[in-house]
Amino acid sequence: KAGVTQTPRYLIKTRGQQVTLSCSPISGHRSVSWYQQTPGQGLQFLFEYFSETQRNKGNFPGRFSGRQFSNSRSEMNVSTLELGDSALYLCASSLNPGSVLEQFFGPGTRLTVL
Amino acid sequence: DAKTTQPNSMESNEEEPVHLPCNHSTISGTDYIHWYRQLPSQGPEYVIHGLTSNVNNRMASLAIAEDRKSSTLILHRATLRDAAVYYCILGAGSYQLTFGKGTKLSVIP
Repeated sequence: KAGVTQTPRYLIKTRGQQVTLSCSPISGHRSVSWYQQTPGQGLQFLFEYFSETQRNKGNFPGRFSGRQFSNSRSEMNVSTLELGDSALYLCASSLNPGSVLEQFFGPGTRLTVL
Repeated sequence: DAKTTQPNSMESNEEEPVHLPCNHSTISGTDYIHWYRQLPSQGPEYVIHGLTSNVNNRMASLAIAEDRKSSTLILHRATLRDAAVYYCILGAGSYQLTFGKGTKLSVIP
């Protein structure tokens, strides 16, 4: 069974631009969560989607948004990029929402904002 | 959110057992204890989780204190491939996992 895939793996943008990252969950998984990882803040939860609906949202500004499609694939978008948005963005999937289930993480998208 | 406390770093010799501690004194009755690890340049990987009883799987064992205020992840024979940052996380209800700083495990050949 293929794991969680994220595209692109690396991305370089400049301040003010916007970016869209993509995540394909494991086949059959319907819940997708997004996390931001930086050296200073560690891993921080962005949002979680299930059945095309956002169920949970972390403490990030409105510039960070996401969506989920009917095939469970998910995208996250960051508008008006800032230098501080440089980070590793991780996507995780699971069968259903619920913290007792293991989440399977993708390799991440490394975003660099210049 | 319930918090966890882990040592910043630990060292182990290869092929020796490793005991990674985690304190969670404010754990609630419905919180599960999860362990994830992150190898260099990879996303986090699920290791094990439990509620009250000790748990074993092919990767590790989880020993949970009777009062549930602490737990220990046990790697029975550390290998070089086990060198990673290990995160102890509490979770219940919402699917949000709150990662702390974790413990960086170094394995010495």
